[in-house]
Order: sequence, then C-alpha cells, then structure tokens
Amino acid sequence: DIQLTQSPSSLSASIGDRVTITCRASHDTSNSLAWFQQKPGKAPKSLIYAASSLRTGVPSRFRGGGSGTDFTLTISGLQPEDFATYYCQQYNSYPLTFGGGTKVEIK
Amino acid sequence: QVQLVESGGGVVQPGRSLRLSCAASGFIFGDYGMHWVRQSPGQGLEWVAVMSSDETNKNYADSVKGRFTISRDNSKNTLYLHMNSLRPEDTALYYCAKDSWDWNGRFDYWGQGTLVTVSS
Repeated sequence: DIQLTQSPSSLSASIGDRVTITCRASHDTSNSLAWFQQKPGKAPKSLIYAASSLRTGVPSRFRGGGSGTDFTLTISGLQPEDFATYYCQQYNSYPLTFGGGTKVEIK
Repeated sequence: QVQLVESGGGVVQPGRSLRLSCAASGFIFGDYGMHWVRQSPGQGLEWVAVMSSDETNKNYADSVKGRFTISRDNSKNTLYLHMNSLRPEDTALYYCAKDSWDWNGRFDYWGQGTLVTVSS
C-alpha cells in the first residue's frame, strides 16, 4: 500500500498569505496524485489532479507541484473561502489512499 | 449537472447489516466506475470499495473485505454498498464518488454522504 504523509497537520495563516502543504508518498505514485478541499459538513471538492492539473472552475491561486513521491499544494493569496481542510490522494494503485489532512485556519 | 444522492444510513447494532444506495444523475452512469469512501467523525478520508463500469471489476479496502459488497444496477443508475457484520469502527459518513473514467481511481464528483452509526 502507498502511504501518504501530509505536513503540516494544521496551520494558521492570514488573508493574502501564501501557504504550502506537502504530501509525501511511501512509493512512487507516477504523478497520479490529487488534492481535495473539504469544508465542515460538506463533501470533498476536487482541486488538482495528475499532481499539477487544475480542475476546471478552480481558481488559479491553487497550484499543485512535485513528482514521484514529493508533492505540494500552494495557495497564493489566501482568501476567506480557502479556510478548510485539504487532503492529498494517490490513485496510482489500489488500495487508494489519502493523506491525513491539513487544516488551514485563520490567524 | 452531476448529482449523487446517498441514502440508507442509520443506527445499527454491532453484527447487523445495512445497505446503502447512491442514486446518480446528470451523466451516463454505465460509462463510469463508482466508489464508496468513508469518513469517521472528525477524522480523515478512507477509500472503501470500487466497482468498474461494466461490473466485472471490484476492489475493497482490507478493513471491509469479506464483510462489505459493492454492486450497481446500471438500469437504475444506482450504486449499492451491502454491509454485513458491522463493527463500531465502521461508524462513519459514507460518500459515493464518481470515477473520472472507468476505475482509474481519480474522483471527480462526490455525493453529500449518508451517516452510519454502529452502536448497541
């Protein structure tokens, strides 16, 4: 199984800040890596797939990067609606696995 | 637009069974793989099971293998999860999710979830 380790588990930031979340895989995922945003009481929402491809309709301030086993999600110019929990997920092999999540809170 | 609506959750005693349903609309259901993903209260996401578009391929998380069965009825645009021998650790919000292709594992749409509570 491919284990995904996200860091940090939580962070505090201000409106307008740039934040970066890291996801490290235990094995090469061949860039089959997605990022999701989840707000309280809501289903996850797809942001990024194939490590760096932005889902249609997602603001360009979200950027995915990395390859192999090390990936990042960067939010440039944090907006009020971006305060949420973010998860990475690998779809290179079954069982599909998720990172533990990163909660982005208002400073 | 794509809609996924889960139902069938509730409170059930340990060892009992439950069947979840996911009604799909807004896309050609029979062309896509479908998944179940769960989230325990206050916890992260755990993939549970997948079924391919033509029902020939299934895969399960080890935590549910042998107890849960995924199925679908393409004529009714509905996905199911049959859960047997339920345990307290199965308590979670269960989401169905649409695959972006057949069963490549990339989710593009999620339902709102149905809550299953396993408790005596």
